[in-house]
Amino acid sequence: NAGVTQTPKFRILKIGQSMTLQCTQDMNHNYMYWYRQDPGMGLKLIYYSVGAGITDKGEVPNGYNVSRSTTEDFPLRLELAAPSQTSVYFCASSYGEGQDAGELFFGEGSRLTVL
Amino acid sequence: LAKTTQPISMDSYEGQEVNITCSHNNIATNDYITWYQQFPSQGPRFIIQGYKTKVTNEVASLFIPADRKSSTLSLPRVSLSDTAVYYCLGRGFQKLVFGTGTRLLVSP
Repeated sequence: NAGVTQTPKFRILKIGQSMTLQCTQDMNHNYMYWYRQDPGMGLKLIYYSVGAGITDKGEVPNGYNVSRSTTEDFPLRLELAAPSQTSVYFCASSYGEGQDAGELFFGEGSRLTVL
Repeated sequence: LAKTTQPISMDSYEGQEVNITCSHNNIATNDYITWYQQFPSQGPRFIIQGYKTKVTNEVASLFIPADRKSSTLSLPRVSLSDTAVYYCLGRGFQKLVFGTGTRLLVSP
């Protein structure tokens, strides 16, 4: 199993550009999450999904959009990139039910810089 | 949603036992308490999970009192490689919101 795979690992954007961070998992997990982590800070939940076709906002959703058309994929779309979106983005997944619900499996992260 | 509170930082020396306490006053009846470890430039990694009393695995122990309003992660005989940020995860049914974490520095 590859686990949670994120692409790209690094990206530089100009202000106002748009891009999509890709996330795919091969563990058949129902729940998927996007977090951002600013330097020296904790993780902030952007969006999450409890299954295909279902998404919901987290703590900091403004400036982002997501979709979940399949169980495996959960892309994060940045529209009109701003310097405040410079961060490391982590995708995570979990089985999502019962005592396994809390264990998150993380990708390696995508480092985004907006100039 | 279970909001968690942890100390911002802790210092220790190699070979010592480290206990990190997390407060989660409004944890829900069905919620499990989980702890994660994060090294720089990496995603968090699951350490341990529990519901109540004590849970032990090969890397840590987790102590949860009967009222479940707090939990304590115990790392026995830490080494330099245990220097990391440790998160207690407050799980609000579907949302998994991380707290600020505890930055542990282990010195020789």
